[in-house]
Amino acid sequence: DTGVSQDPRHKITKRGQNVTFRCDPISEHNRLYWYRQTLGQGPEFLTYFQNEAQLEKSRLLSDRFSAERPKGSFSTLEIQRTEQGDSAMYLCASSLTLYEQYFGPGTRLTVT
Amino acid sequence: GESVGLHLPTLSVQEGDNSIINCAYSNSASDYFIWYKQESGKGPQFIIDIRSNMDKRQGQRVTVLLNKTVKHLSLQIAATQPGDSAVYFCAENLIQGAQKLVFGQGTRLTINP
Repeated sequence: DTGVSQDPRHKITKRGQNVTFRCDPISEHNRLYWYRQTLGQGPEFLTYFQNEAQLEKSRLLSDRFSAERPKGSFSTLEIQRTEQGDSAMYLCASSLTLYEQYFGPGTRLTVT
Repeated sequence: GESVGLHLPTLSVQEGDNSIINCAYSNSASDYFIWYKQESGKGPQFIIDIRSNMDKRQGQRVTVLLNKTVKHLSLQIAATQPGDSAVYFCAENLIQGAQKLVFGQGTRLTINP
């Protein structure tokens, strides 16, 4: 499978714990995006990388959230001190150009 | 409590009929638009895109129409099949601006046998 992959697919954590998600983009896609999706809503943009540089960050990305793409390939999204409001599907997408973005299957986070 | 967000607009069509899903976008400066299909528990799947210098683009069984005057986008699916059942989202982008897709509310398409 040469699509975008995300790990884990599901994560249940207790409030206050830290979690980290991983995204592996389509090979050779230099652009990588993180989105968050809550039930019944469309995805909302969180952040964007071109190669290893983080070029855009949404106001949704509070200081408890941090994303990295250290070698310009895979990316991680960490949430510290999770809150119940962080429960959502976290989606990663990648693209080769400024146009088509291809999404992974997502990581569903449940904070109890 | 009940979430307003759960009440997606819904379109029900008979199998074999054509479906038309509509979307109003927000930014008159947006110059790139995409339609995605999302099945339950999965990530959005790219269907078709269109740039603002076009008003129509056709793919396999799908056609996207863009009306920039009224900021309206539509997705037409020909000969709808059971596998087309999903939530459909339109998304807009300003290519030379911030690199982010802004998604619309979504429409749930249900196919009646």
